[in-house]
Amino acid sequence: NAGVTQTPKFQVLKTGQSMTLQCAQDMNHNSMYWYRQDPGMGLRLIYYSASEGTTDKGEVPNGYNVSRLNKREFSLRLESAAPSQTSVYFCASSARDRAYNEQFFGPGTRLTVL
Amino acid sequence: KNEVEQSPQNLTAQEGEFITINCSYSVGISALHWLQQHPGGGIVSLFMLSSGKKKHGRLIATINIQEKHSSLHITASHPRDSAVYICAGRSMEYGNKLVFGAGTILRVKS
Repeated sequence: NAGVTQTPKFQVLKTGQSMTLQCAQDMNHNSMYWYRQDPGMGLRLIYYSASEGTTDKGEVPNGYNVSRLNKREFSLRLESAAPSQTSVYFCASSARDRAYNEQFFGPGTRLTVL
Repeated sequence: KNEVEQSPQNLTAQEGEFITINCSYSVGISALHWLQQHPGGGIVSLFMLSSGKKKHGRLIATINIQEKHSSLHITASHPRDSAVYICAGRSMEYGNKLVFGAGTILRVKS
């Protein structure tokens, strides 16, 4: 099992460009999450999908959109990238969106917006 | 003010030392998670607990719900323990989503 995979690993964008970060999990998990990690700050939740067919905003959703394409895949789209979106993005999944369900993380995507 | 605060931010230890990383939280939580982020960036879950103590190999996690405090201990530390250690609380005030501390950067020297 690959666990949680993310593509791409690295990306450089110019301000105003768009891109989609892809995430897939092969653990048959119901819940999936997108986080961003910035220096000196904890991971912050951008969007999550508690189950297939549902998506909800997290703490920092502005400038992002998501699609839960099917149970396996959860993508994050930047429509018009801004330098403030320079960050490392992590996708995660868990069996259910419950307190004691472990979250499994992807390897991350390092995004730079010039 | 962060809802989850970790201390210290940076920690350098000599191989073999006993290490303690602290986590304090100000929100009500239903469970507390400890995670490890490797130098390459990957994040893995170490513990989930809501009371008492858990042990896995040389790692021990404790929590005191009344004092809103948790600790992660590493016994007989080794250079391969060098990583960022992150605590996160399942916050009842944030729809039971994880709220993360900023992490503690640990370096163990041989």
